[in-house]
Amino acid sequence: SQQGEEDPQALSIQEGENATMNCSYKTSINNLQWYRQNSGRGLVHLILIRSNEREKHSGRLRVTLDTSKKSSSLLITASRAADTASYFCATDAEDSSYKLIFGSGTRLLVRP
Amino acid sequence: NAGVTQTPKFQVLKTGQSMTLQCAQDMNHNSMYWYRQDPGMGLRLIYYSASEGTTDKGEVPNGYNVSRLNKREFSLRLESAAPSQTSVYFCASSETFGDSNQPQHFGDGTRLSIL
Repeated sequence: SQQGEEDPQALSIQEGENATMNCSYKTSINNLQWYRQNSGRGLVHLILIRSNEREKHSGRLRVTLDTSKKSSSLLITASRAADTASYFCATDAEDSSYKLIFGSGTRLLVRP
Repeated sequence: NAGVTQTPKFQVLKTGQSMTLQCAQDMNHNSMYWYRQDPGMGLRLIYYSASEGTTDKGEVPNGYNVSRLNKREFSLRLESAAPSQTSVYFCASSETFGDSNQPQHFGDGTRLSIL
């Protein structure tokens, strides 16, 4: 079974608006990573947040982590058409074997 | 900056045919991975190589074999292709294994169709 599940599955917003995507997971983790995938391309690492961190920023990205709720959110502020992509969270495998388990992703469409 | 390079980018096979997907990284990473991506399923780990000379099964290894040829190259082989193996295959690498703080770097994938 998948460790991380993203919500919503798809999101459509207007350019300039903020986009929020959520990730829920099942077991304790060491850290959580977010990746972006443009159509027809591989995944690109965006940001990593450790289990002892609650919030992290990188440019227009803001990630939060709530270990008590086993959830994380990715906020993209002032979205651009170029942000159109699928976004995936990835967490440690349940058996703590250091393998990453990816969720099924959120497809974000930013309309110009 | 090539990063992770996968060949071929597209391939169509008939059921029962064999083929090898190639992957090479130029970042001097120790660990390499093969994933498959199916619609609505996210990425699933097929095999990984924690370091040169070692390989281990991931979540969905059946029907596949791998070879870590050297530190740079990690190939995935389908011995007898089946329609259920139609997917997009991604190779990735990371600096080390056993430290999930390491981000993974991905190639652009091989789109494989099996008829």
